[in-house]
Amino acid sequence: NAGVMQNPRHLVRRRGQEARLRCSPMKGHSHVYWYRQLPEEGLKFMVYLQKENIIDESGMPKERFSAEFPKEGPSILRIQQVVRGDSAAYFCASSPFAGGQETQYFGPGTRLLVL
Amino acid sequence: KQEVTQIPAALSVPEGENLVLNCSFTDSAIYNLQWFRQDPGKGLTSLLLIQSSQREQTSGRLNASLDKSSGRSTLYIAASQPGDSATYLCAVPYGGATNKLIFGTGTLLAVQP
Repeated sequence: NAGVMQNPRHLVRRRGQEARLRCSPMKGHSHVYWYRQLPEEGLKFMVYLQKENIIDESGMPKERFSAEFPKEGPSILRIQQVVRGDSAAYFCASSPFAGGQETQYFGPGTRLLVL
Repeated sequence: KQEVTQIPAALSVPEGENLVLNCSFTDSAIYNLQWFRQDPGKGLTSLLLIQSSQREQTSGRLNASLDKSSGRSTLYIAASQPGDSATYLCAVPYGGATNKLIFGTGTLLAVQP
């Protein structure tokens, strides 16, 4: 059973471009979480999705950021018009069920660098 | 609001030493607490998960304890090895059914050969 897959592993964008980060959860997992790790800071929750639904986006910046988890295919975290402050490691995690008892399995992350 | 802190922020020990990493949280109403390891440039590896009903959990040279009433957890590493060098993070789920993880700031461990 493959783990959580994220691609690309590294992404370089110039200011103003768009960044698309993909996450394929573990097989059988229908719950996806995105976290961001800014340089010299801890991991912060961004958004929680189930198939075709955004459940909690309380950690998402109000502008330029969006996320989706379609019925088919990976979850996508999209950042429009990137700025240097978006440079960070973005991690995706998945779990088979909702609720506090379930552990989350993390992917290797996508390192975004904005020039 | 749940806040998670870890001390020390960094720790350097000689190989073979036993060590303790600390994690504290402000809201004791947690389902569980999880310890992760993060290697430079890599993702997170889950080490131990302690349910709220448990006092401790062991895996090999690692032992994690949980004291909900005092809002504390410790990760004990026995007979440390250079391969244990990494950042160690603790996290608790928060937000009811959302289960989003609140992470501590991490402890950067260096085990000197």
